[in-house]
Amino acid sequence: GAVVSQHPSWVICKSGTSVKIECRSLDFQATTMFWYRQFPKQSLMLMATSNEGSKATYEQGVEKDKFLINHASLTLSTLTVTSAHPEDSSFYICSAGGQGETQYFGPGTRLLVL
Amino acid sequence: AQTVTQSQPEMSVQEAETVTLSCTYDTSENNYYLFWYKQPPSRQMILVIRQEAYKQQNATENRFSVNFQKAAKSFSLKISDSQLGDTAMYFCAFMNLNTDKLIFGTGTRLQVFP
Repeated sequence: GAVVSQHPSWVICKSGTSVKIECRSLDFQATTMFWYRQFPKQSLMLMATSNEGSKATYEQGVEKDKFLINHASLTLSTLTVTSAHPEDSSFYICSAGGQGETQYFGPGTRLLVL
Repeated sequence: AQTVTQSQPEMSVQEAETVTLSCTYDTSENNYYLFWYKQPPSRQMILVIRQEAYKQQNATENRFSVNFQKAAKSFSLKISDSQLGDTAMYFCAFMNLNTDKLIFGTGTRLQVFP
């Protein structure tokens, strides 16, 4: 099956710093990548959709200036949490797909902001 | 707007037995895809099975099969010969083919015990 990687797998940072998370499709090219957030024992909440070479589309209630998304190529998308605060602590998951294709998920990134 | 409902927060089954997880959805679209994903304790989202709405035949993948009832908007997952490794959270998801977005249910936590 298709493989999606995420880096880092976990990160601890101080409040006020920025954190970048990378999402890569390793063995296929994805027209679209998706970023989700998951709180403990809850479902996945879609944050934004990114297409290669264009601006990301954010879901209602997601601050685009807080969560910066860059989709530089068909295999790489990055999520930067700017000026992170403790309430940004969560599990962030990316997926790759698009054009009616099945979404394949990365292993997730655990973010803890102190 | 589409919605996905999983009415069973938790289920348990004995090893080697069969269990069925329920999922209903609501949509006005005629063409869409449906998925079951599992999320084990590692939190990696793993594709279990996919069903295209235009196909009348129920999808099967080894021990996993679905009962897709389009008119009733029902999409249940049957796991046969349950194994300890099937212990996970199972999410039902609807894909809007206009946006490629996945809409997830709240999940069913399945415990397989010896």
